[in-house]
Amino acid sequence: GAGVSQSPRYKVAKRGQDVALRCDPISGHVSLFWYQQALGQGPEFLTYFQNEAQLDKSGLPSDRFFAERPEGSVSTLKIQRTQQEDSAVYLCASSPGQITDTQYFGPGTRLTVL
Amino acid sequence: AQRVTQPEKLLSVFKGAPVELKCNYSYSGSPELFWYVQYSRQRLQLLLRHISRESIKGFTADLNKGETSFHLKKPFAQEEDSAMYYCALDSGYSTLTFGKGTMLLVSP
Repeated sequence: GAGVSQSPRYKVAKRGQDVALRCDPISGHVSLFWYQQALGQGPEFLTYFQNEAQLDKSGLPSDRFFAERPEGSVSTLKIQRTQQEDSAVYLCASSPGQITDTQYFGPGTRLTVL
Repeated sequence: AQRVTQPEKLLSVFKGAPVELKCNYSYSGSPELFWYVQYSRQRLQLLLRHISRESIKGFTADLNKGETSFHLKKPFAQEEDSAMYYCALDSGYSTLTFGKGTMLLVSP
């Protein structure tokens, strides 16, 4: 079946612009995660949803970052007033839902802020 | 706070040589450890997890709680093993803490 998909795959934004990154998880997966991966670093946790509930947003770096999953399926990560330090690959992952279930990753969205 | 350390950015070996990718973790509880791999132009995918005690593609990893390590090993490296490897820790709340990764290059 289809894996996790993300769009757009590449996004270039001017500093100060707002961006929205979309994640389509594997159908039926309860849990959804967002990670940020800066160049040369490992992925860093941003936020976690179980169905539509955002259970953990401790990794969001500032209040410019906002994520939602209103119907418990597709999720959107929004970054307001982008800064150069926001340049990174944003990864989405989903899992069936049980604690320590395998997370399945999407291809990522590469965001470049000029 | 949990932390995962992968001390080597790059590990270069010849085909057929043994491989050990190091991973140390810091966590006060009982961790769940994983190795994820990213092949060129592919997405991040699970290689193995300590709880399943499987050997995947000839790789194994043993959790050593005394040394807080979860090193990834393979007795004979293959060229197709060339990839970026990430060690990750699940603290029990389903969120993963990743190391910075080690690039493995296997030369013919």
